[in-house]
Amino acid sequence: SQQGEEDPQALSIQEGENATMNCSYKTSINNLQWYRQNSGRGLVHLILIRSNEREKHSGRLRVTLDTSKKSSSLLITASRAADTASYFCATEASGTYKYIFGTGTRLKVLA
Amino acid sequence: GAVVSQHPSRVICKSGTSVKIECRSLDFQATTMFWYRQFPKQSLMLMATSNEGSKATYEQGVEKDKFLINHASLTLSTLTVTSAHPEDSSFYICSARDRVIGELFFGEGSRLTVL
Repeated sequence: SQQGEEDPQALSIQEGENATMNCSYKTSINNLQWYRQNSGRGLVHLILIRSNEREKHSGRLRVTLDTSKKSSSLLITASRAADTASYFCATEASGTYKYIFGTGTRLKVLA
Repeated sequence: GAVVSQHPSRVICKSGTSVKIECRSLDFQATTMFWYRQFPKQSLMLMATSNEGSKATYEQGVEKDKFLINHASLTLSTLTVTSAHPEDSSFYICSARDRVIGELFFGEGSRLTVL
């Protein structure tokens, strides 16, 4: 079953603006990953953050993790039309080795 | 980077037939592979965990006799949708965990359409 909830479900912004997506989960985790999926395609790995990390950066991406609140956020700065996609968080629950995906956020960046 | 290959990428079949989807890790060994299905505009739902040399572990609500999983080697897992029906039409995605570094890699997915 899915354990991650993401909000918003859909987000529409203008090119150049920042986009923030949030992910909440239910159990203790080993790590959390963010993925991007273009329509009808496979997943592209964006960033992995471990349970003992609070923040990670990769280019225009910034991910935070708050294990006390069981939540994570993905910030995309200076968005581009090419960032239009669905974004998913996936958590590896402690004591398991499987990843459960969140409900996803559909991002649309308008040129 | 590591690559996971899925084949076929698209398959159309008649109701009642069985369809096999392959998932291969091309440049690493994967003791564990995962199968997900995704309906349009929805998230990925974990179907089962495939372990090399042993039986797959299915998630609650997934029919193991319907979705046969075989993980015969460290680089290949197969998902067979038996007696497929239109409601089985979906996007099936596999992922493989590198046994050395522990990282998870995803295939490009296989779109199944059952007429």
